[in-house]
Amino acid sequence: SAVISQKPSRDICQRGTSLTIQCQVDSQVTMMFWYRQQPGQSLTLIATANQGSEATYESGFVIDKFPISRPNLTFSTLTVSNMSPEDSSIYLCSAGTGDGDTQYFGPGTRLTVL
Amino acid sequence: AQKVTQAQTEISVVEKEDVTLDCVYETRDTTYYLFWYKQPPSGELVFLIRRNSFDEQNEISGRYSWNFQKSTSSFNFTITASQVVDSAVYFCALSEAQFSGGYNKLIFGAGTRLAVHP
Repeated sequence: SAVISQKPSRDICQRGTSLTIQCQVDSQVTMMFWYRQQPGQSLTLIATANQGSEATYESGFVIDKFPISRPNLTFSTLTVSNMSPEDSSIYLCSAGTGDGDTQYFGPGTRLTVL
Repeated sequence: AQKVTQAQTEISVVEKEDVTLDCVYETRDTTYYLFWYKQPPSGELVFLIRRNSFDEQNEISGRYSWNFQKSTSSFNFTITASQVVDSAVYFCALSEAQFSGGYNKLIFGAGTRLAVHP
């Protein structure tokens, strides 16, 4: 299994600012994924991050709001732009490691927007 | 369309009771994967099991067991002799396989919050 770390683990931000979340995997992976978990809710996929190409966004999520970078096979960032209180959520990244379709998750970034 | 239903929103049991968490899924594909994840209060998502659509054998891992039945599109999870440390939100998820390789997104159920009381 992969070990996935995220920074920051939590943050409190002001409305209108942006926050970049980092995700680091301890091995090379083909795809990385970013999920949002709103308070008391399930996980919803924001986008799939492929190395060397543009991220693929799910319905309801746009690049201007959630720009993603994937500079290499072990690292990705998600930026939450122009934040509002509705963006208060846990943001989790995940990655597949090669043993079938199992995705392992990072510890999450708990974001609160005031 | 893919869909995962976890009808039980919350379950409360007393320690040492057995508890079953239900999961029903919908997919049009014949090749797919099913998962269970545990999310303790700390928030991280812990992988528990993966099952592919061609393997209907039930699995047991310690106090955990899983019952996969394609005929009813269900993948239920049983905890035997529950413990306080089992208190968490449990998510069932579905992923359709890509024949070209790589990974597909996970479709999560709403989750079941399990509270185990001493």
